[in-house]
Amino acid sequence: DTAVSQTPKYLVTQMGNDKSIKCEQNLGHDTMYWYKQDSKKFLKIMFSYNNKELIINETVPNRFSPKSPDKAHLNLHINSLELGDSAVYFCASSPRERAKNIQYFGAGTRLSVL
Amino acid sequence: AQSVTQPDIHITVSEGASLELRCNYSYGATPYLFWYVQSPGQGLQLLLKYFSGDTLVQGIKGFEAEFKRSQSSFNLRKPSVHWSDAAEYFCAVGTMEYGNKLVFGAGTILRVKS
Repeated sequence: DTAVSQTPKYLVTQMGNDKSIKCEQNLGHDTMYWYKQDSKKFLKIMFSYNNKELIINETVPNRFSPKSPDKAHLNLHINSLELGDSAVYFCASSPRERAKNIQYFGAGTRLSVL
Repeated sequence: AQSVTQPDIHITVSEGASLELRCNYSYGATPYLFWYVQSPGQGLQLLLKYFSGDTLVQGIKGFEAEFKRSQSSFNLRKPSVHWSDAAEYFCAVGTMEYGNKLVFGAGTILRVKS
């Protein structure tokens, strides 16, 4: 069983479209995250949720809206996609929101905006 | 603000040779330090972590890292590299800020020549 799973693995779409990426963890963790890895492989946090509550929002454009229906799921919805949104998006989870917690990552979703 | 520097973008070593990947961090408090590995098309896998105590930590796949507070470094080492170690390696610092975000370095790509 995959601990942190993301769907889809690849997403190719046109500028201006709206798309969603889903993430699920079966580890029983309280905290989930979205990270963006740009074309230079630089990884940066976007959001984190603890028990469905938003706790980090790293100045991400409001076209990006995370949604956590329960603590095992954290989906990322992106409106009006732009070329600069092309990246690999990683979901992660950790037991709690404290710094000593190890984060477990999904395999990533490669988004290409044409 | 916290930051992580990995000075080497690419490193090439011969199979069987020793390896050291450098990582320097900037963080005002006690750092929690991590090394992750990303194989092509894969997610990030935790190699090892440092929270406190013994400054030499052992990880998976024969890797170790040494925390040196005086040098603000957390270098990753392996005595004998295998071809399967070819991947990208990321150093990260976990912050004490509420939300437990990881701040990553830019990564080091390891190539192994036979």
